Amino acid sequence: QQQVKQSPQSLIVQKGGISIINCAYENTAFDYFPWYQQFPGKGPALLIAIRPDVSEKKEGRFTISFNKSAKQFSLHIMDSQPGDSATYFCAASMSSGTASKLTFGTGTRLQVTL
Amino acid sequence: DVKVTQSSRYLVKRTGEKVFLECVQDMDHENMFWYRQDPGLGLRLIYFSYDVKMKEKGDIPEGYSVSREKKERFSLILESASTNQTSMYLCASSPHGWISGNTIYFGEGSWLTVV
Repeated sequence: QQQVKQSPQSLIVQKGGISIINCAYENTAFDYFPWYQQFPGKGPALLIAIRPDVSEKKEGRFTISFNKSAKQFSLHIMDSQPGDSATYFCAASMSSGTASKLTFGTGTRLQVTL
Repeated sequence: DVKVTQSSRYLVKRTGEKVFLECVQDMDHENMFWYRQDPGLGLRLIYFSYDVKMKEKGDIPEGYSVSREKKERFSLILESASTNQTSMYLCASSPHGWISGNTIYFGEGSWLTVV
């Protein structure tokens, strides 16, 4: 079953606009929620992450909003730029007896147009 | 900078062939992972390893095996490749820790086509 649901599948935003990607999770044991950014031909790279004890985290133009009671979190990209065009994955992980591993959403392909 | 290197970027193999995908990391990380990436399905964990010779199944281990004989190297093996294993395969590593929050670093991926 899919433990992290991500929407939309694709998104087109004009330059300067706000991009919003949403994720929902089911397992309340998840305690770390990163977002990864992937450019064509490259592997995903960590963009920003949050823990459930805070409701918002901001790094430059990127903000994660977290709603623990609704089990939802979202990525906001302010003043979106063509260079932000990429695929974005939300993810979740929990502490484990062996190695903490990530469960990913299905990805959102963002295109920022001029 | 952390570097995760996947030696083969593009491979074309025939159905039934044995396929080896190799991955090397240079940051002395304990944890290593193999994910598979497919459109609309995101990244799905195949296997991971938390120490040399130690491995655990991920979410989709069927048809795959792994080997970790040295700390820096983690191999994915397709014993008998099938067309439904055509995909992009991503290797990743992270520092020691069973506690969540360690950054996972990915390689650039290996595109495998099985014909």
